[in-house]
Amino acid sequence: QQQVKQSPQSLIVQKGGISIINCAYENTAFDYFPWYQQFPGKGPALLIAIRPDVSEKKEGRFTISFNKSAKQFSLHIMDSQPGDSATYFCAASKAGTYKYIFGTGTRLKVLA
Amino acid sequence: EPEVTQTPSHQVTQMGQEVILRCVPISNHLYFYWYRQILGQKVEFLVSFYNNEISEKSEIFDDQFSVERPDGSNFTLKIRSTKLEDSAMYFCASSLGGTANEKLFFGSGTQLSVL
Repeated sequence: QQQVKQSPQSLIVQKGGISIINCAYENTAFDYFPWYQQFPGKGPALLIAIRPDVSEKKEGRFTISFNKSAKQFSLHIMDSQPGDSATYFCAASKAGTYKYIFGTGTRLKVLA
Repeated sequence: EPEVTQTPSHQVTQMGQEVILRCVPISNHLYFYWYRQILGQKVEFLVSFYNNEISEKSEIFDDQFSVERPDGSNFTLKIRSTKLEDSAMYFCASSLGGTANEKLFFGSGTQLSVL
């Protein structure tokens, strides 16, 4: 119930392509879904986040799509660039708690 | 952008020894956290801290672990008697507020190796 399942584990995309990473959750009490980007040797950094009252949020080349009935959400990176090569983690949290439940991560490599 | 600072970046210790990992959260933040990441695995919550007390902890955070804010700037994680399975990257994080949609700022981590 507390898990967030993330796929794929790794992803290779050509420069200019679309990168899509998917996450699924079970606990309907989750009400905040951030995506974090982590470069080697660095801590995770917040990329974009969504709450379940909207189905999509876009910030620049990054879009979260949220399907509340399916309990799934995904990150789309449009026009992927080599500088986007990093590990991406989805996460979930619920009101009244202080912790994030992270997915297992997706290692993205964008080829030049 | 303000940063969370962690020291040391690497720590090597013998099994059974005590270690203290140090963090300087962002100055106006009120909520502090420790997470850890075992190599190749997901980031896991350990503990959150607010107003000089633990607000939430995970099942990982057993009696071997403790946290402290010894002064107005530092936030520490102590592992009393380290085990091999404590080897991980430990991340400190801070946030201005404690609600679920607060942005967490993570430090660069301390890589702990227990031999």
